[in-house]
Amino acid sequence: AQKVTQAQTEISVVEKEDVTLDCVYETRDTTYYLFWYKQPPSGELVFLIRRNSFDEQNEISGRYSWNFQKSTSSFNFTITASQVVDSAVYFCALSEAAGNTPLVFGKGTRLSVIA
Amino acid sequence: GAVVSQHPSWVICKSGTSVKIECRSLDFQATTMFWYRQFPKQSLMLMATSNEGSKATYEQGVEKDKFLINHASLTLSTLTVTSAHPEDSSFYICSATIPGQRYEQYFGPGTRLTVT
Repeated sequence: AQKVTQAQTEISVVEKEDVTLDCVYETRDTTYYLFWYKQPPSGELVFLIRRNSFDEQNEISGRYSWNFQKSTSSFNFTITASQVVDSAVYFCALSEAAGNTPLVFGKGTRLSVIA
Repeated sequence: GAVVSQHPSWVICKSGTSVKIECRSLDFQATTMFWYRQFPKQSLMLMATSNEGSKATYEQGVEKDKFLINHASLTLSTLTVTSAHPEDSSFYICSATIPGQRYEQYFGPGTRLTVT
């Protein structure tokens, strides 16, 4: 069975600090997809990134970066120079690559960035 | 990009009544839609998979007679919460996939249901 673990329930940082959100996953599939979503107070999920299991390259998008390591089954997310607008709940998720399959979500990490 | 809408965005109903939530793919046809439920400060949990023209597949522990799902067209799936109770109060989110892009899921903005 697939499982996603986000051990950090809540994180609080001061603005401009860097913060890393951890994600560890379990799957028996050799091909799968990993995702990160942001959920602001409005509730709407905001897609951040999708990574397939064959692509272990790290990715950087502005202040966001992702570190995917299959050896440790981790897909960690780092926000550099955090801002108040980054305050939200962040979910890591996993899906099979077969397609038309639902996402399995972690429990989420609530990030609070304090000015 | 692909857009999924939900209606209503929020609803308050009295205990014992039924509520229908719509999930529409606005600019694509979705053969498969998923319904998730999110209780306050919790994660999203899959309730059911909705396939156009066939019966929905429910996850273990989800009462199919209470949460009626109808996927009558390639752009619309509906979730009806029948005889709602306060414990059904939750945030309901749907997602849809595009044929040919099966790994991609497009989420609706969610519907917040409060049962009084």
